[in-house]
Amino acid sequence: ELKVEQNPLFLSMQEGKNYTIYCNYSTTSDRLYWYRQDPGKSLESLFVLLSNGAVKQEGRLMASLDTKARLSTLHITAAVHDLSATYFCAVDLSIQGAQKLVFGQGTRLTINP
Amino acid sequence: DGGITQSPKYLFRKEGQNVTLSCEQNLNHDAMYWYRQDPGQGLRLIYYSQIVNDFQKGDIAEGYSVSREKKESFPLTVTSAQKNPTAFYLCASTSVAPNYGYTFGSGTRLTVV
Repeated sequence: ELKVEQNPLFLSMQEGKNYTIYCNYSTTSDRLYWYRQDPGKSLESLFVLLSNGAVKQEGRLMASLDTKARLSTLHITAAVHDLSATYFCAVDLSIQGAQKLVFGQGTRLTINP
Repeated sequence: DGGITQSPKYLFRKEGQNVTLSCEQNLNHDAMYWYRQDPGQGLRLIYYSQIVNDFQKGDIAEGYSVSREKKESFPLTVTSAQKNPTAFYLCASTSVAPNYGYTFGSGTRLTVV
């Protein structure tokens, strides 16, 4: 059974600081997603990481994937209040020809002025 | 514009009542999924379907039923056997091959009254 674990689960930080969210998973997969969720809303796709060593950046967010270590990171640079949200990683799992996404628990990020 | 439409946005269920959540996509995606999200929690897979007239149970299928009579539609019925149905329900879809990622609907918030 695939397990996806994020840490930390809660993160409170000041504007202007840097921090990293970690996503570990237990089974081989070459496809990992990062999503953002605002309160009461659906998921917003941030990054799709498709291969070992993949790195993607958008604004103050950068995501990377190490399939050998089964680890993905989401790095926040010089945080701003607008980045306050819950962030999920999700791993694409193929079982007997069927695909499904398995989610981490989410990291609730609060950025204080 | 292509996308996934979930309806209704808010739904109230009385004790012992069955209710059906709608999910329609015009993306020509093969696979469709239902996830449940409880407050402050991650997303858990209820049911998924890779092709028409076929579907599989996810991790928390008890008390739920689905059908896939058309490629575009994947309705979820929350039956009276689901004792704690209050949650946020998200529908998603993806193409099986090639996979360009998952598209999520805007969600249905179900409350037991």
